[in-house]
Amino acid sequence: DAKTTQPPSMDCAEGRAANLPCNHSTISGNEYVYWYRQIHSQGPQYIIHGLKNNETNEMASLIITEDRKSSTLILPHATLRDTAVYYCIVRAFNQAGTALIFGKGTTLSVSS
Amino acid sequence: DVKVTQSSRYLVKRTGEKVFLECVQDMDHENMFWYRQDPGLGLRLIYFSYDVKMKEKGDIPEGYSVSREKKERFSLILESASTNQTSMYLCASSLGRLTSGGTYNEQFFGPGTRLTVL
Repeated sequence: DAKTTQPPSMDCAEGRAANLPCNHSTISGNEYVYWYRQIHSQGPQYIIHGLKNNETNEMASLIITEDRKSSTLILPHATLRDTAVYYCIVRAFNQAGTALIFGKGTTLSVSS
Repeated sequence: DVKVTQSSRYLVKRTGEKVFLECVQDMDHENMFWYRQDPGLGLRLIYFSYDVKMKEKGDIPEGYSVSREKKERFSLILESASTNQTSMYLCASSLGRLTSGGTYNEQFFGPGTRLTVL
């Protein structure tokens, strides 16, 4: 799996957009970008994934740069319940179902 | 919704005891995983299984063993618990094949078991 780099922590005001960056400069052509989050005392939760096109679901949007060397997870209207550690993971298509490698992630603190 | 359950949320054991952590998933997933999570170290993979009676070592298998006799159940065993095995243990499952929805790599996690070894 390609290595990812994320800031250790970020703050966001409730109701504002939270933009979480991730660098993956060594990503290869068959590798996807995945995002998970972990709310305190719970197991990690899948958020979204993408290859090269921007993606959106009910939880978040994922913006991947054209060269695919970085991406941004966007929570459009952050709430207090979005306070969590967010993990960016890069892994290949042919590793479907195999073990994820989690780094240290970004701790997002949403405050009122 | 996929549900992954773990037998205990909190467990306290003594050094040298044999400890069983149980995980059950209800979505017929082929793959199951055991991770441990420690402050400052993130999640680390202990063991995983692709099928019944199949197992593969992860990054930190020492001191642990696993058992998968049925597809829905994956057990983590600490043969002789030690204080350095005090940790949060997380079980996960995922499909082993591709799905039309594209979430073929999504892993579903249980709530975790916080194990303390005294």
